[in-house]
Amino acid sequence: EAQVTQNPRYLITVTGKKLTVTCSQNMNHEYMSWYRQDPGLGLRQIYYSMNVEVTDKGDVPEGYKVSRKEKRNFPLILESPSPNQTSLYFCASSYRDGGDTQYFGPGTRLTVL
Amino acid sequence: GDSVTQMEGPVTLSEEAFLTINCTYTATGYPSLFWYVQYPGEGLQLLLKATKADDKGSNKGFEATYRKETTSFHLEKGSVQVSDSAVYFCALLGVSAKLIFGTGTRLQVFP
Repeated sequence: EAQVTQNPRYLITVTGKKLTVTCSQNMNHEYMSWYRQDPGLGLRQIYYSMNVEVTDKGDVPEGYKVSRKEKRNFPLILESPSPNQTSLYFCASSYRDGGDTQYFGPGTRLTVL
Repeated sequence: GDSVTQMEGPVTLSEEAFLTINCTYTATGYPSLFWYVQYPGEGLQLLLKATKADDKGSNKGFEATYRKETTSFHLEKGSVQVSDSAVYFCALLGVSAKLIFGTGTRLQVFP
């Protein structure tokens, strides 16, 4: 089954404790991206990747890092989480770029205390 | 910069009512336009899209027409069902091939 998986689905952590949210897709897609969803703000792109070893900032990259060492994986790293990063995070992938149909993961709800 | 504006929700309807969710955009050139839907507890799914002016996207009884003259892409459905209850996002493909989303409109359909 074609899918995008994220782990964990729920996470409660404390300020400053490094964490990683994993994202994996099994569709051989080149394009992957991370979004955060906040009430009243919709989805905002954090980072995206056009292919292996090619990443670029989205609209709200501060406080986040990503890597794309393999085509299928695109982890999101929070080196020193802060309460303003409490949000619902989605990973998405598509064949080539943002104009292709985006396939979204189920989301990760992160709470930073 | 490019942006998408959606009507605020929630939109509350009875089953079989007519649905319109307004979406307008500001963009350079002629972007592709999309509607994505998010069912409770899930990620977003593409509902329909249109790539040029006067195109009509349709899927699952939903329709939206790309109106260049009014820079709009309103979502419509003739008869909603309880199962259509979800959050609907309008989006455009901006420069650098990035998707830009609206803030979302929650639809609640009651029996």
